[in-house]
Amino acid sequence: SYELTQPPSVSVSPGQTARITCSGDALPKQYAYWYQQKPGQAPVLVIYKDSERPSGIPERFSGSSSGTTVTLTISGVQAEDEADYYCQSADSSGTVVFGGGTKLTVL
Amino acid sequence: QVQLQESGPGLVKPSETLSLTCTVSGGSISSYYWSWIRQPPGKGLEWIGYIYYSGSTNYNPSLKSRVTISVDTSKNQFSLKLSSVTAADTAVYYCARDTTPGSGGYGSWYFDLWGRGTLVTVSS
Repeated sequence: SYELTQPPSVSVSPGQTARITCSGDALPKQYAYWYQQKPGQAPVLVIYKDSERPSGIPERFSGSSSGTTVTLTISGVQAEDEADYYCQSADSSGTVVFGGGTKLTVL
Repeated sequence: QVQLQESGPGLVKPSETLSLTCTVSGGSISSYYWSWIRQPPGKGLEWIGYIYYSGSTNYNPSLKSRVTISVDTSKNQFSLKLSSVTAADTAVYYCARDTTPGSGGYGSWYFDLWGRGTLVTVSS
């Protein structure tokens, strides 16, 4: 299986744009997904298939892909966006891998 | 509204087998892939494996030798057994559902429905 690499932490001020990256050799061939996890809660899907947003997820959450890196962008960050964010992918057999997670701090 | 609920012992002794069950309520276990995912305290998510409602499975290569996932469609449940546990297996264990029904041997391989998680501590 392969690995997904995320920065351990990202900090932004309210109203600014946060960008969280996820790198992996298989990402040009496989979709990436993003989850938000707040303390004591289960993860919530915020982006699927690199850039699609599930219903109910605010428009300020967006995703993009370029080569071996995918990026979760949160525009106009709000205090409630402070959380851990995980990228995830899978190979064709369904073997799932998660990135190590990024702690987003809203200053 | 479909909901998932994990259940099982919260404390397991080293070298013993961890056993958890996920009960699916408000919907059928049929047609979907179902996964177990764990998270050690203060650490990241680790996928353990999945089972299709028909019984086919796929496990994380790093845990494959110790993991068994089974399904009981009559009870709308699927279960996890992890053998020879150590303190490193202490974690919150989540059950989760693939986003869309499986088709042609393929799932969506990402998750839109999670249980609340259950903490399992390995300690004597």
